[in-house]
Amino acid sequence: NAGVTQTPKFRVLKTGQSMTLLCAQDMNHEYMYWYRQDPGMGLRLIHYSVGEGTTAKGEVPDGYNVSRLKKQNFLLGLESAAPSQTSVYFCASGTHRGRDYGYTFGSGTRLTVV
Amino acid sequence: AQKVTQAQTEISVVEKEDVTLDCVYETRDTTYYLFWYKQPPSGELVFLIRRNSFDEQNEISGRYSWNFQKSTSSFNFTITASQVVDSAVYFCASVNGAGNMLTFGGGTRLMVKP
Repeated sequence: NAGVTQTPKFRVLKTGQSMTLLCAQDMNHEYMYWYRQDPGMGLRLIHYSVGEGTTAKGEVPDGYNVSRLKKQNFLLGLESAAPSQTSVYFCASGTHRGRDYGYTFGSGTRLTVV
Repeated sequence: AQKVTQAQTEISVVEKEDVTLDCVYETRDTTYYLFWYKQPPSGELVFLIRRNSFDEQNEISGRYSWNFQKSTSSFNFTITASQVVDSAVYFCASVNGAGNMLTFGGGTRLMVKP
């Protein structure tokens, strides 16, 4: 199984450009998450989804939008990128099914906004 | 809302020393889960352990052990006889019973010197 796959792995954007990060999971997990990781800040939750067609704001949602049209995919959009959005982005999927309760993370997307 | 505090931002030890990483959590929920993840220099997040709020038993896995104490809201992680390969950033995380938001601490960077 591939687990959680994030694309792209690296990207450089100019200020004001838009882009979409794709997260795909093949574990039939109900929950999906987008985090950003900045030096010394740990992982901060941007948006999350508890099921297909639902999304909710996390700790740092401003400047981002998300969609979960299919259970296996969770898209993170930046409409107008800013240098403050330079970060490493991690996607995760999760399940609460008994002994499998837990979360699987993708390998991350390193985004630089210049 | 959940909150996780890892007061130690950086720890440096010499190989074969024992080291304890502290984690203090805050929650209003009676049902919650706690996690530890390892992030090696390669950047991926590696799951280490999950513990639910009803299970205060300590756990040992090889050189790793975890001490969960509800009385002090702590979930500390000890590495015995540390090795250079243990060098990484370690994250403690918590999620409430509804499981919507997995919240991370700021992480502790462990450097094990030969």
